[in-house]
Amino acid sequence: DVKVTQSSRYLVKRTGEKVFLECVQDMDHENMFWYRQDPGLGLRLIYFSYDVKMKEKGDIPEGYSVSREKKERFSLILESASTNQTSMYLCASSPHRGPEKLFFGSGTQLSVL
Amino acid sequence: GQNIDQPTEMTATEGAIVQINCTYQTSGFNGLFWYQQHAGEAPTFLSYNVLDGLEEKGRFSSFLSRSKGYSYLLLKELQMKDSASYLCAVRDPGNTPLVFGKGTRLSVIA
Repeated sequence: DVKVTQSSRYLVKRTGEKVFLECVQDMDHENMFWYRQDPGLGLRLIYFSYDVKMKEKGDIPEGYSVSREKKERFSLILESASTNQTSMYLCASSPHRGPEKLFFGSGTQLSVL
Repeated sequence: GQNIDQPTEMTATEGAIVQINCTYQTSGFNGLFWYQQHAGEAPTFLSYNVLDGLEEKGRFSSFLSRSKGYSYLLLKELQMKDSASYLCAVRDPGNTPLVFGKGTRLSVIA
């Protein structure tokens, strides 16, 4: 089975801190994604990557950056955390070809105080 | 751009059948996905439709009409464990990621 692992299940940070959310997948997938999920707003795409060193902005990239130095790892960075970034963050991966069947990690519930 | 609509909440009785609708307006179309998400868990893939018609997979079926921009997920013989959110997502023809609707929270009651 495909495994997408997010480093933390729960995280509490202070306003202004730099936050790293890590995601690793073990199925050699080309594509990786970062979403945030908020009640009433559904899943919203922050950034995605279709190859190593490649990154593309999603629908809500402001306040975030990403890094993909290795194929299996896709990191989301909050340069200076703010309270409106309190959310559930979901990482996903998918193979390069075929329908985009996403495999999701378990999520990181981030609280910014 | 894409606009995807689905009901926010639905309630159904154990053993019954429920239909969750999804309508979309898109500049292009290359497939529609349904995902299931239990509370506190990650979404998991349920079904994929790219051609018109009904795809059946056990108790779950998914229907697509591309001309109407419409899909539904049909759940038969409802069980309590089917209580979850059901997410509709649409894919563009280009190399762009899936766009998700806001999800329908289904509650199955005894």
